[in-house]
Amino acid sequence: KAGVTQTPRYLIKTRGQQVTLSCSPISGHRSVSWYQQTPGQGLQFLFEYFSETQRNKGNFPGRFSGRQFSNSRSEMNVSTLELGDSALYLCASSLGVVDSGNTIYFGEGSWLTVV
Amino acid sequence: QKEVEQDPGPLSVPEGAIVSLNCTYSNSAFQYFMWYRQYSRKGPELLMYTYSSGNKEDGRFTAQVDKSSKYISLFIRDSQPSDSATYLCAILTGGGNKLTFGTGTQLKVEL
Repeated sequence: KAGVTQTPRYLIKTRGQQVTLSCSPISGHRSVSWYQQTPGQGLQFLFEYFSETQRNKGNFPGRFSGRQFSNSRSEMNVSTLELGDSALYLCASSLGVVDSGNTIYFGEGSWLTVV
Repeated sequence: QKEVEQDPGPLSVPEGAIVSLNCTYSNSAFQYFMWYRQYSRKGPELLMYTYSSGNKEDGRFTAQVDKSSKYISLFIRDSQPSDSATYLCAILTGGGNKLTFGTGTQLKVEL
């Protein structure tokens, strides 16, 4: 069974540009979450989508947005990139709501460098 | 007060040692607790997942939840150099599937 797949794995962008990252969840999983990981702040929750609806959102500016498609694949977009957006962006998927038999799995991440 | 706190280490132990990694959390209502292992430049890999309190064992790994103290632990027996990684505790803290992570403990197991 394939895991969570993220593309691209590495990318370099210039300040002011925008970027779109893609995530394919584990087959059958309907919940997709996004996290940002930096050395200074650690892993921080961005947002979660379930059945194409945003279910929860972290404390990030509106430049960070996402969406989920009917096949559960998800994209996140960062507009007007800043140097501080350089980070590892992680996608996680879950079958549905976490319960005693269902948990959350992460992809390998997309490394974004803003120059 | 942070929702989840974890000693960042680094922690260095000899091969074969028992390792104890710990986190504390703020809200007694939290019920779902995970431990992830992350190698350098890789995504977090799920190691252990526990619901409510008690112990859970999987091979050399044991996860323990003490709800009365709001304290979770991961024990690694017979540690190996391949266990050298950053260990992250994570707790389900919000509506839906929002995880809040500890800062991670960097572990090095030396020959």
